[in-house]
Amino acid sequence: GAGVSQSPSNKVTEKGKDVELRCDPISGHTALYWYRQSLGQGLEFLIYFQGNSAPDKSGLPSDRFSAERTGGSVSTLTIQRTQQEDSAVYLCASSQRTGDQPQHFGDGTRLSIL
Amino acid sequence: KQEVTQIPAALSVPEGENLVLNCSFTDSAIYNLQWFRQDPGKGLTSLLLIQSSQREQTSGRLNASLDKSSGRSTLYIAASQPGDSATYLCAVRPLSNTGKLIFGQGTTLQVKP
Repeated sequence: GAGVSQSPSNKVTEKGKDVELRCDPISGHTALYWYRQSLGQGLEFLIYFQGNSAPDKSGLPSDRFSAERTGGSVSTLTIQRTQQEDSAVYLCASSQRTGDQPQHFGDGTRLSIL
Repeated sequence: KQEVTQIPAALSVPEGENLVLNCSFTDSAIYNLQWFRQDPGKGLTSLLLIQSSQREQTSGRLNASLDKSSGRSTLYIAASQPGDSATYLCAVRPLSNTGKLIFGQGTTLQVKP
């Protein structure tokens, strides 16, 4: 597709369940980013992948959060044992490479933990 | 620690006005600065990207300036239209990090017809 695609667009789940969020970046983009947007915190960086390099996980809030990127394309963000404070919009972005290229965002997954 | 602040938090103007949105950052060691637009329930749309060596970028009715030494950027919107109503976010990419952006809280703009 022409843009970054994220699925599902909305996810409602019970506290304690695991969830998986998917991101399909723009074709040819080697860099992929996950951010979280919540009312109280604004937009926060979570994790960043660049090619085959080790990901920058410095923004992950706890060990319940993990992400992988298979084949240098699609990425999955997994949240285990969800808590109510995990409720937020999870945004994925990609860019052609780091540095001088803009990041392009998907429409996000709105996650609600009951 | 890099912090990004946007003022004002909200702005309401009549159609046709020229307006300026402000963004400030505490650490001038940045790689670039990017302005985004976000419509309700949507992701971010990239508007302008200014490299640290540049002073400004223009796209249509939008002009963004960067004064890295003073830690400031402005987004100028000329002849505003109701369709410009959205939240505008600025983000900096620190030199010390390879990819992440640090965002301001945004300015919510309403342009009244």
